[in-house]
Parts: sequence; C-alpha cells; structure tokens
Amino acid sequence: GENVEQHPSTLSVQEGDSAVIKCTYSDSASNYFPWYKQELGKRPQLIIDIRSNVGEKKDQRIAVTLNKTAKHFSLHITETQPEDSAVYFCAASLGVMDSSYKLIFGSGTRLLVRP
Amino acid sequence: DTGVSQDPRHKITKRGQNVTFRCDPISEHNRLYWYRQTLGQGPEFLTYFQNEAQLEKSRLLSDRFSAERPKGSFSTLEIQRTEQGDSAMYLCASSLIADTQYFGPGTRLTVL
Repeated sequence: GENVEQHPSTLSVQEGDSAVIKCTYSDSASNYFPWYKQELGKRPQLIIDIRSNVGEKKDQRIAVTLNKTAKHFSLHITETQPEDSAVYFCAASLGVMDSSYKLIFGSGTRLLVRP
Repeated sequence: DTGVSQDPRHKITKRGQNVTFRCDPISEHNRLYWYRQTLGQGPEFLTYFQNEAQLEKSRLLSDRFSAERPKGSFSTLEIQRTEQGDSAMYLCASSLIADTQYFGPGTRLTVL
C-alpha cells in the first residue's frame, strides 16, 4: 500500500527565515497531496493542498511543489513567524483510484521558529 | 460552531472497560472518517462511512472496534475490552466526496 515519508522530523529556524519540509510517496497513482498544521492540543488544519495536474501552488507565505517523476512534494514557508511553530503533516491520497479517498500521512515535522 | 465536533475530548479508562466516542460532522458532509494518532506520529486511517454505509475498515481495526453512523449524520466509535495499546488520540474527519477532509479536535484515550 501507499507509504509517505517525511523529513526532517524537527526543524528550527530563525524568525524571518524560510522553512522547507519534504515528503516522498510510494504509489505513483497518488494524485492528491494536502498539508496539515497541528498546534499542540488542537485539531489538524489544512493549510494548502495540491493535485497531481499542478506542479506548484502558492498561498501568501506558503507554497507547495510537486515532482511526480521523483514522487516527492515539498512545503515551503517564507518569512517565518513565531506563530508558524507547530507540527506539520504531509499526506497523500490515491483519489479516484481508491474510492475511499483516505489520507496516508507522514510522521510529521515539528517546526520551531525562534524569535 | 459549524466545524467537526467530538465528544468526549478526554477519556481515561481502566483496561478491560468499554468506551464509546462520538463524532458530529459538518452537516452537509456525506463522508466521515476515523483516524488514530499516537504520540509523534501522523494520523492513521481506521474506517470511513459514506452516508450510513461503512465502506472500508483498516487492518488496524481489530474485532474489538466497531463504528456506526446510523442515520448518516453523527458517528460513534466503540472499543470493547480496552487494552493499553489502544491509548491514542482518535480523530474524526468529514468531507464531501473527493474534497478536503476537515478534522475534529479528537478524543484522547488513556487506558490505565
């Protein structure tokens, strides 16, 4: 079945710097890739997602890139702020190839933005 | 609040007891998912419903676990004869078919 690997497990950056989190997936049929942010004790919240017919997507300071050939996708956060500190999860879904549309998650990246 | 809600938020139980969790999805969402999240890991898929029909169950879902969504609205997840290995955060998510999954705040289960 599908497997998603996420790196790094922890990431510490200075406020204002950029942060990059990378994920790889195993099933080439995967076609939907969301990113969730989870603050301590709170629910996972979708911050951005990308589908396999798109190579890059941006939303203000957040961008996601997808390389289908290499089967990896990355989250880029620019001009980081202390409130960006959280655990970030990538996920993949087979979409219409698997009628459940269930999400397979990576193991998470704990991002710390130092003021 | 129109988001996904879960009850209770925390549950402490003794090994061998039964527990039941409830999830109320976003009202117009016909898909409802259950995931389990252990410390330091991403959520793992357990099962999902489309309306009232349970269409898939993960191998993670042992015979001690049962889920229902009787009227296609709220769902319950019951764990019988709890074990310490069942301690985790149980997350519910809802969506329209093929759309974004919105998560609830989770129920944190501690089995003593």
